[in-house]
Amino acid sequence: SQQGEEDPQALSIQEGENATMNCSYKTSINNLQWYRQNSGRGLVHLILIRSNEREKHSGRLRVTLDTSKKSSSLLITASRAADTASYFCATAPHVAAGNKLTFGGGTRVLVKP
Amino acid sequence: DVKVTQSSRYLVKRTGEKVFLECVQDMDHENMFWYRQDPGLGLRLIYFSYDVKMKEKGDIPEGYSVSREKKERFSLILESASTNQTSMYLCASSLRTGTGSDYGYTFGSGTRLTVV
Repeated sequence: SQQGEEDPQALSIQEGENATMNCSYKTSINNLQWYRQNSGRGLVHLILIRSNEREKHSGRLRVTLDTSKKSSSLLITASRAADTASYFCATAPHVAAGNKLTFGGGTRVLVKP
Repeated sequence: DVKVTQSSRYLVKRTGEKVFLECVQDMDHENMFWYRQDPGLGLRLIYFSYDVKMKEKGDIPEGYSVSREKKERFSLILESASTNQTSMYLCASSLRTGTGSDYGYTFGSGTRLTVV
């Protein structure tokens, strides 16, 4: 079952523009994570934000978390063609044996040169 | 560079065959996972393991089994492959925490399995 739902499903922008995608989830979480997947490859972990954090930065990435609305956003600033990929949010429940994540359906981002 | 290695990038098998997908990690991670990824359905958890010889069913375990005889290796077995098991299979590993989970996953490159 999908815990997270990303919005939009697809996004097309010009190089240099910012890309924003959102994730909503249903149950309480310990943390929320974002991953990138280049076409036909495995996922790469980008950033983790804990339930007691509101904002986190990593390079050109900015993640926000609003636990009252059960939502998160990922902002990629000054996008590059190499940022073309699918982006997934994943949620970790409060109590879980084995660190089990539930992934959303993803946002496909196309950055045009 | 730490890695999760999946034995095959592409695999074609016949209906009814027993299929083994192998995954090896070199990070001394306790947890290992098998997901399948299908268009429109996202990633769905098949099985996971949080210790040697331990396994837990995920959301879609039917038609699959797993084996974890050593910490670094987690195998997914399709007992009798069917066409609806044609998919991208992703293995991942992570550290384990006491409660909740504070660690990201490291994924392998995936195995694209076609069952004909």
